[in-house]
Amino acid sequence: EVQLLDSGGGLVQPGGSLKLSCAASGFTTRSFNYYSMAWVRQAPGKGLEWVSTVSSSGGTTYYTDSVKGRFTISRDNSENTLYLQMNSLRAEDTAIYYCVRGMYSYDYWGQGTLVTVSS
Amino acid sequence: DVVMTQSPLSLPVTLGQPASISCRSSQSLVHSDGNTYLNWFQQRPGQSPRRLIYRVSDRDSGVPDKFSGSGSGTDFTLEISRVEAEDVGVYYCMQGTHWPRTFGQGTKVEIK
Repeated sequence: EVQLLDSGGGLVQPGGSLKLSCAASGFTTRSFNYYSMAWVRQAPGKGLEWVSTVSSSGGTTYYTDSVKGRFTISRDNSENTLYLQMNSLRAEDTAIYYCVRGMYSYDYWGQGTLVTVSS
Repeated sequence: DVVMTQSPLSLPVTLGQPASISCRSSQSLVHSDGNTYLNWFQQRPGQSPRRLIYRVSDRDSGVPDKFSGSGSGTDFTLEISRVEAEDVGVYYCMQGTHWPRTFGQGTKVEIK
């Protein structure tokens, strides 16, 4: 069974940095390096917001405008792991961050990791 | 950006009765590859979202056939044929055709 295990969230001050990880397992039909991966976030009590996507090879990345220049998505296909490096964090980045599988649709979701940006 | 507009935002339903959620996009969701990447997700209270429907009407494995998706172009619908207690939660549409990917505001389904 496919599992995505998100980690790395926590409390950070405005302007600080955090790196999220997503450990993938159970990819049986096709391996991790076949799939694009992405991050989707959800602010407390709010809806879902796409944040970033990385292609299967890691060579192409996409970002929502509000995080461009501050966040970097990457992956290590040898370790089946997805990352999100978050710099210059703002209060409005406070959310649960979900690791998801897919490019045009998201068939598997992690359990989420909470990022709180506050002084 | 493509704006996804769901209605209603709140949907009280009697157990055993049908429910319908509308999702409209500000642009056509037909991709250059010919597919229409319109998805529906369910988020139960306290849980991660779960995909129900992809490419407008393809149901995910394990999703009961009481859930169905339809539509084309810019106008889409999710229908639940008979609402049960386990269907309570928030339902989101999402387009995967254009960048940035965008979600609807969510429709909260509750039991009347």
